Amino acid sequence: DIQLTQSPSFLSAFVGDRVTITCRASQGISSFLAWYQQKPGEAPKLLIHTASTLQSGVPSRFSGSGSGTEFTLTISSLQPEDFATYYCQQVDSYPITFGQGTRLEIK
Amino acid sequence: QITLKESGPTLVQPTQTLTLTCTFSGFSLTTTDVSVTWIRQLPGKALEWLALTYSNDDKRYSPSLKTRLTITKDTSEDQVVLTITNMDPVDTATYYCSHHIRGSGSSFWGQGHLVTVSS
Repeated sequence: DIQLTQSPSFLSAFVGDRVTITCRASQGISSFLAWYQQKPGEAPKLLIHTASTLQSGVPSRFSGSGSGTEFTLTISSLQPEDFATYYCQQVDSYPITFGQGTRLEIK
Repeated sequence: QITLKESGPTLVQPTQTLTLTCTFSGFSLTTTDVSVTWIRQLPGKALEWLALTYSNDDKRYSPSLKTRLTITKDTSEDQVVLTITNMDPVDTATYYCSHHIRGSGSSFWGQGHLVTVSS
């Protein structure tokens, strides 16, 4: 199985801050990586697929980059509604796997 | 408009078999590279991928649960069913189904269905 390790696991930031979350894969997955946002009591929401493609309707302050084994999700200017938990997911090979999550909280 | 909704029991006893149904609309499971995927989330924990089925009847399972999982599709009814045998309290979780495109991820999700395993 491909292991995904997200860092940090917890992040505290101010509204307006730029934040970056990293996802490292245990082996190369090309660009087959997706990022999700999940708020308490809600289903996850797809933000980015194929490492850097913004899902329709997602604000442009979200961006993704990377390929191979290292990927990043960047939020350019945090908004109050962005405080949530973020997950990466590899869809390169089976079994599909998720990172352990990064909880983003307001400072 | 794509929608999905999970249904099934909310309480099961240990050792019982859980049957969950995902009823969807707005897409067809006959479309190449489109699948319905099941994912669960134990309370306070990360997302865990369970299984998926594609239009060509290609089915994939989580290796750690493979012996207990069965996924089937009914394209005429626009439903996908997941069964999990020998349920245990550690299987208490919210179970989600999603519309998944090969190589891209899950762009549409059901609301989730909380299943508690307890005697």
